[in-house]
Amino acid sequence: KQEVTQIPAALSVPEGENLVLNCSFTDSAIYNLQWFRQDPGKGLTSLLLIQSSQREQTSGRLNASLDKSSGRSTLYIAASQPGDSATYLCAVTVSGGSYIPTFGRGTSLIVHP
Amino acid sequence: DVKVTQSSRYLVKRTGEKVFLECVQDMDHENMFWYRQDPGLGLRLIYFSYDVKMKEKGDIPEGYSVSREKKERFSLILESASTNQTSMYLCASSLGAGRGTQYFGPGTRLLVL
Repeated sequence: KQEVTQIPAALSVPEGENLVLNCSFTDSAIYNLQWFRQDPGKGLTSLLLIQSSQREQTSGRLNASLDKSSGRSTLYIAASQPGDSATYLCAVTVSGGSYIPTFGRGTSLIVHP
Repeated sequence: DVKVTQSSRYLVKRTGEKVFLECVQDMDHENMFWYRQDPGLGLRLIYFSYDVKMKEKGDIPEGYSVSREKKERFSLILESASTNQTSMYLCASSLGAGRGTQYFGPGTRLLVL
């Protein structure tokens, strides 16, 4: 069964720092990997989707990379801002079967001014 | 823009009541999901539907049932609410066979007294 781990569970950084959030998974036969953002008390908002054939995706200050062979993805946030404070979750969908995503528990990020 | 809406943001019910949570998506997505989210436990899949009138149990289906009579609507039913079902409930939808982004609703925070 696919297991998805996100480390660290929590992170606090000063504004302006570049930072990296990590996601690791046990089954490398993935179909896609998705990064989400969740603000307190709200639903999840999709940030980036990386297909199995892709190595990275970019959106504004966000860049997500995928290394299937090592079972890892990273979310890079450039020039962090207080508005980036949220919980970031990754979800991995494995090829075949029911294509149901497996979620990590998330990294809670605080960017302080 | 894909929109996933949930019938209530906040709900307070008594133990033993029958509770209906409704979810509607407007993008003709095949897949719809119900999750619950609890501190320290992450996102857990309750039920999944890949087509009208089709459903599959997720990781924690006990105490819940679902209904999907129309493609755009997926209902979660708590037959007899209990205090341990107090939680944040999140609905999501996506294209079939794991294709594409998973879109989430704003969530329903349910309190069972």
